[in-house]
Amino acid sequence: NAGVTQTPKFRILKIGQSMTLQCTQDMNHNYMYWYRQDPGMGLKLIYYSVGAGITDKGEVPNGYNVSRSTTEDFPLRLELAAPSQTSVYFCASSAHGTGSGYTFGSGTRLTVV
Amino acid sequence: SQKIEQNSEALNIQEGKTATLTCNYTNYSPAYLQWYRQDPGRGPVFLLLIRENEKEKRKERLKVTFDTTLKQSLFHITASQPADSATYLCALAKAAGNKLTFGGGTRVLVKP
Repeated sequence: NAGVTQTPKFRILKIGQSMTLQCTQDMNHNYMYWYRQDPGMGLKLIYYSVGAGITDKGEVPNGYNVSRSTTEDFPLRLELAAPSQTSVYFCASSAHGTGSGYTFGSGTRLTVV
Repeated sequence: SQKIEQNSEALNIQEGKTATLTCNYTNYSPAYLQWYRQDPGRGPVFLLLIRENEKEKRKERLKVTFDTTLKQSLFHITASQPADSATYLCALAKAAGNKLTFGGGTRVLVKP
């Protein structure tokens, strides 16, 4: 099993540009999450989804958007990139929400200049 | 406000000894507490989950305790090995909630 796959691994954006971070999982998990991790800090929840067609905001949703049209895919959209969005982004999925362990992807390192 | 605290100072330990990490929380009543391992440049890897009604959980050389009175979890790595060197994250979630909140992590360095 591939688990959770994120693309791209690295990206440099200019201020004001937009991009989509891709995330796909092959474990048939209903729950999916996007986190960001700043250097030396814990992970902060951006958005999450409890199933196809259902999304909700996490702790730091401003500047981001998500969609969940299929069980497998949960893309994260950055509109009008800002330097404050420079971070490492992790996608995760779980079988039973917070009552089971999360499987994380390998991350996307984004720099906004 | 809710707070999850892990020791931000690195824990240096000799191979073969037991490493003990602490996760303290305030203004929180978690139903689940999870521990993850994170290596540099990689995503976190799930290790253990313990529920509020469980006092202790073990998996191979790992042991987690959960004291809801002290609002604290302890994570033990027994017979530590250099390969155990990593950052360890604790994370908490409320019952019937969908948000797993992470602490800042503690870096462990096991010296041969």
